[in-house]
Amino acid sequence: EIGLTQSPATLSLSPGERATLSCRASQSIASSLAWYQKKPGQAPRLLIYDGSNRATGITARFSGSGSGTDFTLTISSLEPEDFAVYYCQQRNKWPITFGQGTRLEIK
Amino acid sequence: EVQLLESGGDLVQPGGSLRLSCAASGFTFSSHAMNWVRQAPGKGLEWVSTIGTTGGNIYYGDSVKGRFTVSRDNSKNTLYLQMDNLRADDTAIYFCARRGGIDGWGAFDSWGQGTLVTVSS
Repeated sequence: EIGLTQSPATLSLSPGERATLSCRASQSIASSLAWYQKKPGQAPRLLIYDGSNRATGITARFSGSGSGTDFTLTISSLEPEDFAVYYCQQRNKWPITFGQGTRLEIK
Repeated sequence: EVQLLESGGDLVQPGGSLRLSCAASGFTFSSHAMNWVRQAPGKGLEWVSTIGTTGGNIYYGDSVKGRFTVSRDNSKNTLYLQMDNLRADDTAIYFCARRGGIDGWGAFDSWGQGTLVTVSS
């Protein structure tokens, strides 16, 4: 099973600041990584797929980079609605796995 | 507009069974692999199962293998999850999700709102 380690576990920032979230895979997954945003009581929302492609309707504030084992989700300038939990997910090999999540909270 | 609507969640005793459904609309259901993902209280997302477009390719997470059965009825645009021998640690919100991409095996690009399964005596 491919493990995904997200860091940091919690990120405390203010609106307008830049957020950088990391996801490291236990083995190479090429570019088969997605990022999701999850808010309480809501369905997860796909942000980035295949490492760096923004999903339909996702603002350009969100960007993804990386391949192999190291991936990054960047939010260029935080808006109040961006504070949530973010998960990475790999689909390169079965079983599909998720990272444990990074909680982005308002400082 | 893509819509996924889960139903069937309930309170069930340990060892019991439950069947979840996910009604799909707004897209060609038979062209996309479909998935179940769950989130236990206070925990992260956990992939449960994936079924291919025709039902011929099926995958399960280790924690549910042998107890859960995924299926689909393309004539009814509906995804199912039969859950048997339920345990307390199966308590979670269960989401259905569509796989996107050109081949229908991409990232999970649309999700339902989820249905709550509680396993308790």
